[in-house]
Amino acid sequence: LAKTTQPISMDSYEGQEVNITCSHNNIATNDYITWYQQFPSQGPRFIIQGYKTKVTNEVASLFIPADRKSSTLSLPRVSLSDTAVYYCLVGKEIYNQGGKLIFGQGTELSVKP
Amino acid sequence: DTEVTQTPKHLVMGMTNKKSLKCEQHMGHRAMYWYKQKAKKPPELMFVYSYEKLSINESVPSRFSPECPNSSLLNLHLHALQPEDSALYLCASSQAGLAGVDEQYFGPGTRLTVT
Repeated sequence: LAKTTQPISMDSYEGQEVNITCSHNNIATNDYITWYQQFPSQGPRFIIQGYKTKVTNEVASLFIPADRKSSTLSLPRVSLSDTAVYYCLVGKEIYNQGGKLIFGQGTELSVKP
Repeated sequence: DTEVTQTPKHLVMGMTNKKSLKCEQHMGHRAMYWYKQKAKKPPELMFVYSYEKLSINESVPSRFSPECPNSSLLNLHLHALQPEDSALYLCASSQAGLAGVDEQYFGPGTRLTVT
C-alpha cells in the first residue's frame, strides 16, 4: 500500500502561492495521485489529479517528479476561502487487483488576511 | 446535476436501535462509496459498490451493513452500534468504480451520534 505523508498544517497570507507536498515513497506503477479539499462539516471536493509530470487546471497545479515518490499541490494566489484541509490520495482501482485507497492525514491550510 | 444527497443530516441513536443512512445520486455514476470520518482524521473507506458488485473493507464490523437497491441509491444499515461509531458518514460516487482514478463526488455527510 502506498502510504502518504503530508505536513499537518501550513499558514499563508492572501495573495501568496501555497505549495503542499505529499510523500508517497512506495507508490505503485498503476497508482494515480489525487488531491481533495475539505471544508468543515462538508464532504471532500476534487481539486486535481495526475500520474506524472505536471497537470494544471483552473484552480491548481500538480507537480510530480519523474520518480513519482512525491507530489506537490500548488495553489496560486490563495484567498481566505482557501482555508481548508487538503488531502493527498494515492491509489488505483479497488476491484480485482486488490487495490486500496488511502487518504493522507491531510494538511490544514490557514490563510490569513 | 452533480450532487450527491444524503439523509438524514444528523442522527442520534441508542446502542440498541436500528437505523439507516441514505444516499442518492443522479449523475449516472456506476460506483458508490461509504466512508467514515472521525474528527481531525481523513475519511476511511468502508464499502464500495461498483456495477452492483460489493467490495468490503474487512476491518468494518458487521454492525454496518450496506445495500445498493439500484445504481442511484445506496443505504447503510446500522444495528447495535457502539459510541465509538459516532462520526461523519460520507457517501460518494464516481463514474466507473475506479476510485483511485475517477473523480469522486462526495455528499455533505450524516453526522451520527451513538449514545
